[in-house]
Amino acid sequence: EPEVTQTPSHQVTQMGQEVILRCVPISNHLYFYWYRQILGQKVEFLVSFYNNEISEKSEIFDDQFSVERPDGSNFTLKIRSTKLEDSAMYFCASSRGIRTGELFFGEGSRLTVL
Amino acid sequence: SQELEQSPQSLIVQEGKNLTINCTSSKTLYGLYWYKQKYGEGLIFLMMLQKGGEEKSHEKITAKLDEKKQQSSLHITASQPSHAGIYLCGEWYNNNDMRFGAGTRLTVKP
Repeated sequence: EPEVTQTPSHQVTQMGQEVILRCVPISNHLYFYWYRQILGQKVEFLVSFYNNEISEKSEIFDDQFSVERPDGSNFTLKIRSTKLEDSAMYFCASSRGIRTGELFFGEGSRLTVL
Repeated sequence: SQELEQSPQSLIVQEGKNLTINCTSSKTLYGLYWYKQKYGEGLIFLMMLQKGGEEKSHEKITAKLDEKKQQSSLHITASQPSHAGIYLCGEWYNNNDMRFGAGTRLTVKP
């Protein structure tokens, strides 16, 4: 069964460093998403992406964050100059259509900022 | 702003007991999604409800959408340890973002 895959599963970084989280969405999906979950808190929407551009972003997704689809398969989240409060689980998701079906989630990338 | 409220926040039940989790929206629900999350893992899709009064079942889990009350409920019959986890309801917020409630943490005691 097709699935969304994320790498790395866990990354530890020093405050101020740049981090890139990678995702391979399901191959025939057209819409891609990043979510964040701080330990013990709710799953929060960060950004959605379609046709090589951002379609929605939340108030959390500030200039520190960027997304890219560098090739036909990968979807990346870049965090510039990480802060302690960026420590969280980051989930990638993909969907076939817009507002018509479910999102398929990856297993997440745990980011620890020291 | 649009909010999804889930209740209860946590629930501990004895194996074999039935339980219900609720999800209420601040606006009329046009579609509601239920997901399950195990600790430290991704979200697994359970069910999608789109029509008022709709009810869906999968194994021992039944979900209903009451559009008039802006509410959905998830009912588990004869709970098992495998049902333990965090149950999240979600709905489309703007054009292309799905947002979730805070979740209900379910513990099933053997």
